[in-house]
Amino acid sequence: SQKIEQNSEALNIQEGKTATLTCNYTNYSPAYLQWYRQDPGRGPVFLLLIRENEKEKRKERLKVTFDTTLKQSLFHITASQPADSATYLCARRLTGTASKLTFGTGTRLQVTL
Amino acid sequence: DAGITQSPRHKVTETGTPVTLRCHQTENHRYMYWYRQDPGHGLRLIHYSYGVKDTDKGEVSDGYSVSRSKTEDFLLTLESATSSQTSVYFCAISEPREGEAQYFGPGTRLTVL
Repeated sequence: SQKIEQNSEALNIQEGKTATLTCNYTNYSPAYLQWYRQDPGRGPVFLLLIRENEKEKRKERLKVTFDTTLKQSLFHITASQPADSATYLCARRLTGTASKLTFGTGTRLQVTL
Repeated sequence: DAGITQSPRHKVTETGTPVTLRCHQTENHRYMYWYRQDPGHGLRLIHYSYGVKDTDKGEVSDGYSVSRSKTEDFLLTLESATSSQTSVYFCAISEPREGEAQYFGPGTRLTVL
């Protein structure tokens, strides 16, 4: 099966530090990975996409990497702020489909003052 | 929430009753999805639609049916609700392009007693 694994333990960091979240996948390398943010009681919100031929993608304070050797994507938030506190979800495309995704369980980030 | 509404937002029902959840979009996106989200499982795809009257099953489709008679509406029906279907249900939309982001609705919290 094509799984996505994220650390289920919450990540607690201090404001201003860099938060790093991990997404590991199994079996075939997906054509791309997507990262979403989810706040309590809300639907997920798309943040970034990285394709398998891209090593790194940036958007403002966010950076995503994709390592096909390690079968891993890292999601970084630099200069983190309390407003970054949320659950972050990683998703991969299911092989053989155009738009069906499978999601990880998410990692909750808590940024404290 | 990207022009996506879900109704009802909350529902409590009894085991054995039929339940229909509605997703409505104003974005004219071709693809629509229904997910359920449960602790420890993350988002799981129930059914999706790739056009009017075109639907297919996801990974947890047993006990659910869908219909799409108009581009803007995607209905999810629990034919005979069970307690295991207590969950938060999210609708999502996307365009049929490789890697396209999915945009989620606000969710429906369903409790089956």
